[in-house]
Amino acid sequence: AQSVTQLDSQVPVFEEAPVELRCNYSSSVSVYLFWYVQYPNQGLQLLLKYLSGSTLVKGINGFEAEFNKSQTSFHLRKPSVHISDTAEYFCAVSVPPAYNQGGKLIFGQGTELSVKP
Amino acid sequence: DGGITQSPKYLFRKEGQNVTLSCEQNLNHDAMYWYRQDPGQGLRLIYYSQIVNDFQKGDIAEGYSVSREKKESFPLTVTSAQKNPTAFYLCASSFNQQGPKNIQYFGAGTRLSVL
Repeated sequence: AQSVTQLDSQVPVFEEAPVELRCNYSSSVSVYLFWYVQYPNQGLQLLLKYLSGSTLVKGINGFEAEFNKSQTSFHLRKPSVHISDTAEYFCAVSVPPAYNQGGKLIFGQGTELSVKP
Repeated sequence: DGGITQSPKYLFRKEGQNVTLSCEQNLNHDAMYWYRQDPGQGLRLIYYSQIVNDFQKGDIAEGYSVSREKKESFPLTVTSAQKNPTAFYLCASSFNQQGPKNIQYFGAGTRLSVL
């Protein structure tokens, strides 16, 4: 079975500061990794994904994440945040089709990013 | 515009009542999913369907039921057996489970409350 742990439930930062949202996962097989963003009372929007290849993945809105297999981590980073980045961020994993789990996503508990002026 | 439409946006349930949440997609996706979101718990999978007329239980299926009679539609019924239904419900869909195209896209959600 797979599991995801987001190490911080809340991250407050000042505008234009850098930010890192941490995500660790557990799996006995290879995984696909995702970061989603959720603005208040809305659905989830895909920020970026890692399926294979380069371990540094760039996404929308200036976010990037790095897959570290040895540390089983997939931390999300942004060098300079804006007020509009205030939202909840979810890390998620799924396993490739060969493992026949129907493409299910396993989510972390979420991290609330609060950007202050 | 292609997308996933959930309705209603807000829903209230009385004790002992069954309610149905609608999810429609026009993305030609094969797979559809229902998640429940509670504060501080992330999203948990209720049911999923990889193909029409077939669906599987997720991690918290008790008290819920689904149907998949059409590719575009995957309604979720919250039955009276679900004793704590207050939550934000999210529907998602993806092309299929094969490789990189299995990216899930989400609707805007339905917030269910108990009267």
